[in-house]
Amino acid sequence: EVQLVESGGGLVQPGGSLRLSCAASGFTFSSYWMSWVRQAPGKGLEWVAKINEDGSGKYYVDSVKGRSTISRDNAEKSLYLDMNSLRVEDTAVYYCARYDAYHFADWGEGTLVTVSA
Amino acid sequence: QSALTQPRSVSGSPGQSVTISCTGTSSDVGGYNYVSWYQQYPGKAPKLMISDVNKRPSGVPDRFSGSKSGNTASLTISGLQAEDEADYFCCSFAGSPYVFGTGTKVTVL
Repeated sequence: EVQLVESGGGLVQPGGSLRLSCAASGFTFSSYWMSWVRQAPGKGLEWVAKINEDGSGKYYVDSVKGRSTISRDNAEKSLYLDMNSLRVEDTAVYYCARYDAYHFADWGEGTLVTVSA
Repeated sequence: QSALTQPRSVSGSPGQSVTISCTGTSSDVGGYNYVSWYQQYPGKAPKLMISDVNKRPSGVPDRFSGSKSGNTASLTISGLQAEDEADYFCCSFAGSPYVFGTGTKVTVL
């Protein structure tokens, strides 16, 4: 059974930084692209970033480009999202998702990031 | 990239069929056969229901079906059941980014 468990969310001030982590199990982690998707409170879903199998290819939504870095550790079966210069509008539940041929096949339960003074 | 347009809500009685539309542009829905649909219960993670316009993953009931015509994709739930009451989001590949729909709340009357 695929399991994705996010951690690292919390309350941070505007301009601050945070590292989100996602621990994967139940599938061959190194064989799949992975992605982060977020959902602001009461709002819809927004794709944030994706990374290819070996970490050499990374893609971002324009609103986080230059402020966020997606990375992975295949030995540890872990996905990361480093976020800097956080803004109030980055407040959301951040989901880790296994990406499989143009869709998001499996999702974690998410971790809440709140950016507020 | 603007969000795909979905109706805010749809409703139906048990056993009826409901259809949710997802309207985009030729740069996303109309340009690729990579539309997927996700079901989300309040406070829970999304779940993949349909991929590649009309493919149903293992374990998803066959009362869920997808289609596409031009820049509009659709999700149909046939034989509506109480457990189908949830939010539904469409998603389309758009070159490199992905764009999600605005979301539709399905209410079972």
